[in-house]
Amino acid sequence: QQQVKQSPQSLIVQKGGIPIINCAYENTAFDYFPWYQQFPGKGPALLIAIRPDVSEKKEGRFTISFNKSAKQFSLHIMDSQPGDSATYFCAAGGSQGNLIFGKGTKLSVKP
Amino acid sequence: GAVVSQHPSRVICKSGTSVKIECRSLDFQATTMFWYRQFPKQSLMLMATSNEGSKATYEQGVEKDKFLINHASLTLSTLTVTSAHPEDSSFYICSAPGPSAGYTFGSGTRLTVV
Repeated sequence: QQQVKQSPQSLIVQKGGIPIINCAYENTAFDYFPWYQQFPGKGPALLIAIRPDVSEKKEGRFTISFNKSAKQFSLHIMDSQPGDSATYFCAAGGSQGNLIFGKGTKLSVKP
Repeated sequence: GAVVSQHPSRVICKSGTSVKIECRSLDFQATTMFWYRQFPKQSLMLMATSNEGSKATYEQGVEKDKFLINHASLTLSTLTVTSAHPEDSSFYICSAPGPSAGYTFGSGTRLTVV
């Protein structure tokens, strides 16, 4: 019940494409759903996060879509650039405080 | 925004020695600090939760005598890997709930035990 399932494991898109990464959770107590971007050798950096009271949130080129009934949320990256190449992690958090992370998606954006 | 400063960023130590990793919240008070471990090409796994002024809570399978956590002040939490072995080589990352309901991560510590 504590798992967060993330797919795909890896993703290759051309510059300008719109990669989509999906996550599913099981625990309905989760109320905070962030996405993190991680470059090799660095700690994860928060990209965007959403609470279950909204179905979509957009910040710059990054959009989270949230489906509470399906317990799924996804990250869309508009007009992707080679500099977006990184590993992306979704996570879910609840009242207990810690975050449960998905296994990550390695994104490669080809020039 | 909220910043967590983590040091060192990289450390190489001999097998059997101990290594201390520090995480400081620079512009906010962190009553709780989460310690994660990340093996290459894997996700972050929670090791333990440290609470200021009380004992840390460890996840199942994490040896509390090997990974000593101290959270003596509202701005500092430390993780000490005692009697390190090559299998302890990993990326260790701390995180604290920030003042604006998000989580702030340190930059991570790459530990290599030789």
